[in-house]
Amino acid sequence: EAGVVQSPRYKIIEKKQPVAFWCNPISGHNTLYWYLQNLGQGPELLIRYENEEAVDDSQLPKDRFSAERLKGVDSTLKIQPAELGDSAVYLCASRGGFTDTQYFGPGTRLTVL
Amino acid sequence: GDSVTQMEGPVTLSEEAFLTINCTYTATGYPSLFWYVQYPGEGLQLLLKATKADDKGSNKGFEATYRKETTSFHLEKGSVQVSDSAVYFCALSDRRETSGSRLTFGEGTQLTVNP
Repeated sequence: EAGVVQSPRYKIIEKKQPVAFWCNPISGHNTLYWYLQNLGQGPELLIRYENEEAVDDSQLPKDRFSAERLKGVDSTLKIQPAELGDSAVYLCASRGGFTDTQYFGPGTRLTVL
Repeated sequence: GDSVTQMEGPVTLSEEAFLTINCTYTATGYPSLFWYVQYPGEGLQLLLKATKADDKGSNKGFEATYRKETTSFHLEKGSVQVSDSAVYFCALSDRRETSGSRLTFGEGTQLTVNP
């Protein structure tokens, strides 16, 4: 069974530029999460989707961050414009069925110069 | 709100040494508890989990027991290997229906095992 797929793995951009990250969850997993992981810290939830609906986006900085999961499968997280402080690893995770176990992708490491 | 506290790192051990990484938690509900491991440049991998008091999660020689009375979930391994070098995260999952199994993580403990 394929795991959670994320792309790109690495991204370097200039500040004020836009950037987008893509995630494809494990097949059949209805719940999808985006996490932010700053250097030396644990991940923090940005947004949770149940199918195509964003049901928990209270931690998402909506002035510059947006996300979508149009068909309830893959998802895109966007930052526009990026700031220096956005340099971090962006992790996607998915969960299916009645388990509370989340499975993580490899992450996208963003560097904003 | 919910929180997880891990022992301060980094931890450096010699191969075959005994490992303990302490983890305590604060939760309003009755959470599930997890240990995730992150190897350099990779995402988080589930190492083990426990869902109720006195449950013991185990995998790859690692163990942790859900202690409700001390709100702890300490990670142990009897004999570490160089390949165990990684960052270890303790986490809890709020199992209330509205939380969607939101994970709260500790700050992570960097383990380095020397030959």
